[in-house]
Amino acid sequence: SAVISQKPSRDICQRGTSLTIQCQVDSQVTMMFWYRQQPGQSLTLIATANQGSEATYESGFVIDKFPISRPNLTFSTLTVSNMSPEDSSIYLCSVERPIGSEQFFGPGTRLTVL
Amino acid sequence: GENVEQHPSTLSVQEGDSAVIKCTYSDSASNYFPWYKQELGKRPQLIIDIRSNVGEKKDQRIAVTLNKTAKHFSLHITETQPEDSAVYFCAVDSGYALNFGKGTSLLVTP
Repeated sequence: SAVISQKPSRDICQRGTSLTIQCQVDSQVTMMFWYRQQPGQSLTLIATANQGSEATYESGFVIDKFPISRPNLTFSTLTVSNMSPEDSSIYLCSVERPIGSEQFFGPGTRLTVL
Repeated sequence: GENVEQHPSTLSVQEGDSAVIKCTYSDSASNYFPWYKQELGKRPQLIIDIRSNVGEKKDQRIAVTLNKTAKHFSLHITETQPEDSAVYFCAVDSGYALNFGKGTSLLVTP
């Protein structure tokens, strides 16, 4: 299994500002994933974060809007830039343990943009 | 990318009845099919998964069946209880991450 923590757990932000979400895992993992869950919707993959390389973004998501850092094998950040109300969602990080098997999710960050 | 269709979107059953949720997928190379349960305000939690070399897997009241030829898999919950009420998501591996179905909101009424 994997123990994953996220900060902050929730935030209310003003339009045009940016928020950085942190994800910490209790052991080293090769890949970390960032998902978005809009209200009442399913989970959509934003990007895959590998340590030592650029994140890989899914269609519809760009680095300028969602820059990601992966400084080591237990930590990653996702920034939501120049926020608008449409960015109001739950953002979840996840890891695979073991590789190619179960994905464990962090508790999520509930973001509200006014 | 992988297309995952999930039905129904909502399901209401009486306590003790069975519930079945179905998913179809498009990529025949997919080989890992998990089901997640998400209670209100909580993170998704894996409840059962199946790999392509297995046709059925059971864990107490929960079972998953897989038909690789038809490219569909189903979640079966027997003897449902009110605490089974939640949103259930099927998912299919895309080779490096998971593609999720749109979810089924299950309500079990006493």
